[in-house]
This record gives sequence, structure tokens and C-alpha cells, in this order.
Amino acid sequence: KAGVTQTPRYLIKTRGQQVTLSCSPISGHRSVSWYQQTPGQGLQFLFEYFSETQRNKGNFPGRFSGRQFSNSRSEMNVSTLELGDSALYLCASSSDHFTDTQYFGPGTRLTVL
Amino acid sequence: KQEVTQIPAALSVPEGENLVLNCSFTDSAIYNLQWFRQDPGKGLTSLLLIQSSQREQTSGRLNASLDKSSGRSTLYIAASQPGDSATYLCAGTGNTPLVFGKGTRLSVIA
Repeated sequence: KAGVTQTPRYLIKTRGQQVTLSCSPISGHRSVSWYQQTPGQGLQFLFEYFSETQRNKGNFPGRFSGRQFSNSRSEMNVSTLELGDSALYLCASSSDHFTDTQYFGPGTRLTVL
Repeated sequence: KQEVTQIPAALSVPEGENLVLNCSFTDSAIYNLQWFRQDPGKGLTSLLLIQSSQREQTSGRLNASLDKSSGRSTLYIAASQPGDSATYLCAGTGNTPLVFGKGTRLSVIA
């Protein structure tokens, strides 16, 4: 079974731009969660989607948004990029609920200049 | 609000040693606890998941325990190898998705 895939793997943007990251979960998994990882804050939860609906949301500004498609693939968007948005963005999928085992993708490394 | 702490932040051991990594959490209403491994610049690999009704899980040389009453989990690694060098993260789930600790960076010296 293929694992979680994320595209692109690396991105360089400038302040003020917007970016869209993509995540394809493991086949059959319906829950997709997004996390931001930085050296200072560690791993922080952004949001979780299940059956195309946002089920949980972390404490991030509205510039961070996401969506999920009917095939469970998910995208997250960051608008008006700031330098502090530079991070590794990780996507995780689980079968039905975030309490199930979470399987992570390799991440997208975003650098904001 | 759940908070997860991992001590020590870094650990260096010679090859072959048995070692224990510690994880503590503040909210005993934890549903399960998951241990992950992260290699530099990479995503997370799930190692073990312990349901709140369980006390421990084992996989190969790894054994993880969960004590909800004391708010602690430990990851025991037997006969450590250089390939075990990585950052180990624990994360708890309650009413909200995973809350992560900052991790323990493990170096196993050959």
C-alpha cells in the first residue's frame, strides 16, 4: 500500500505571496491532518479534515486554510506569507479518526524569503 | 489543555546499551499515546501506539508503556544500534488531535 505523499517537497516563496501544498493520504484513509514543524515551536497541529469537512482546527491565523476533496486528497493554503511561516509542513492520514494510528508523509519544506 | 514534555532533550549512548526515553503529559484524559521517530529533514515514522486501555506495546527491540495515573510514558530501546540515531517524539491524543513533545535527539555511537 502506498504511503502518504506530499507535493511539492520543497518551495521557496517571498513575503506576501501565497502557497498551496498538497497531500494524498493512504488509500482508504479518510482523516487527513496537517502539522507545522519549526525548530522553536516543534510540531503544532493546524487542522484535520474528514469526509471533506474540517473537523478540528488548531490555533493558527486565518491565513492558513485547507480543504479536502471527495477522494480524500487534501490541500492547505497559506496566504500573505510571512517569514515566520518558514517551516516543514507535514500531512498525516488515519483510517477514520485522529485517535487511530497516524501515518505521516515526508513533508513540504517551505522557505519564505 | 494537553501539554507533553520529553526529557532529556538529547541523549548520546554507546552501541549496545539499553535506554529509556521519557514522556510526560498533563491531561490524564488522554485517549492514546503514540511514539514516532524522525530522521533529519524527514517526516515521522510511527513506532508504537498505546491505547488508553493498554499499559504497553512491543515491537521488536522497542517497548512502550503508558501510565495514565502518573501522566507518563516511556519508550525502552534494547541493544541500541547506530541506525537508531534519530529524534524520538511522543504525542498524545485526547479530545483533540496529536499534541507533540519537543522530542529527544538520540545518538548511538558505534
